[in-house]
Amino acid sequence: DADVTQTPRNRITKTGKRIMLECSQTKGHDRMYWYRQDPGLGLRLIYYSFDVKDINKGEISDGYSVSRQAQAKFSLSLESAIPNQTALYFCATSDTTALEQFFGPGTRLTVL
Amino acid sequence: AQSVAQPEDQVNVAEGNPLTVKCTYSVSGNPYLFWYVQYPNRGLQFLLKYITGDNLVKGSYGFEAEFNKSQTSFHLKKPSALVSDSALYFCAVRGSYNFNKFYFGSGTKLNVKP
Repeated sequence: DADVTQTPRNRITKTGKRIMLECSQTKGHDRMYWYRQDPGLGLRLIYYSFDVKDINKGEISDGYSVSRQAQAKFSLSLESAIPNQTALYFCATSDTTALEQFFGPGTRLTVL
Repeated sequence: AQSVAQPEDQVNVAEGNPLTVKCTYSVSGNPYLFWYVQYPNRGLQFLLKYITGDNLVKGSYGFEAEFNKSQTSFHLKKPSALVSDSALYFCAVRGSYNFNKFYFGSGTKLNVKP
């Protein structure tokens, strides 16, 4: 969905490096989410945010941090990347009804 | 605890035949259920949702899903499959107590052969 963009689309990095994945949206939604997708495991929630001042941990927040710089921007950071963080990462948004989520195209991250 | 199970990793069907992708759920309270589709190198796209009302929900691209409360199932169906339906399908349930959390199944790869 072009309304939700993610950068970079692909990233290869080394163990121990700090990585930031960025998400921007033009849908005007308050709620934003970060998920990771692993084969056979589906999507798992890392963090979510209701608005700029409200950040919440999801199922698997260890090793990750986030920043909600503005309503439209939600960044995910890996403080010190490790190989088992190799995955496909998705950003998503929803409005206050939370009846549908809109996903970005994903970032494929490889940690060597 | 909320959870979703998709018992089939892969479903194979011939073009023109009906298809079913299975999903069962576990949730406290009334379930809010969703189906999403993921095409290669793309994010997930919303197909349909069940909130309340009619047990048969119609969605995008000719898909529909049947909510069955007694069997705690929400199977995705289509009367006549297309090759272009080949993709990864995810069932999801929204948390009963935390409306902002969605729980996704592991995904089912649908292969439609000509």
